[in-house]
Amino acid sequence: SQTIHQWPATLVQPVGSPLSLECTVEGTSNPNLYWYRQAAGRGLQLLFYSVGIGQISSEVPQNLSASRPQDRQFILSSKKLLLSDSGFYLCAWSVGREWYEQYFGPGTRLTVT
Amino acid sequence: SQQGEEDPQALSIQEGENATMNCSYKTSINNLQWYRQNSGRGLVHLILIRSNEREKHSGRLRVTLDTSKKSSSLLITASRAADTASYFCATVRNSGYALNFGKGTSLLVTP
Repeated sequence: SQTIHQWPATLVQPVGSPLSLECTVEGTSNPNLYWYRQAAGRGLQLLFYSVGIGQISSEVPQNLSASRPQDRQFILSSKKLLLSDSGFYLCAWSVGREWYEQYFGPGTRLTVT
Repeated sequence: SQQGEEDPQALSIQEGENATMNCSYKTSINNLQWYRQNSGRGLVHLILIRSNEREKHSGRLRVTLDTSKKSSSLLITASRAADTASYFCATVRNSGYALNFGKGTSLLVTP
């Protein structure tokens, strides 16, 4: 069966510090991978998605970037965090023709102070 | 921009009652999904209904879709305290491999 891992679960970082969030999927090959952000009381905002290694589509032009160094690994990064980067970050995966059925990780709660 | 909008934003009921949540969307769709999110957790896929379907059941869940009104409803029958969560509808965007999520309905089921 497929599983998705995210770490860390929680993170408190000062403004201006770098960020690296990691997501890995097990039990499937060539998944589509997604990074979402959820602000308090809001819906999900798609940040990046990837349909293959080295293929990253950006939805939000902010100080965040994403990379996919391996087939089942998706990394969200920032060189300098802003207060507005605080939120709940969710990674998700999907496969095949029914790519729209997405399966989410447990999330990372990021607080920028 | 977000495609789906859930209504109501918050709903409080007692165990055993039915809970109904609605979702409206703006453009034509091929399918619509409902997800659940427990507090502080990731989203869980509940059910998908295709544009050529009007109603779909899964356990205590019943989803309807009215493409002429661009709306969907999620009914949870005989609610339990464990159903307390936020519920989101999601539609496929016109381009790319992306979904549009609404802001969700926060459901509280009290014993």
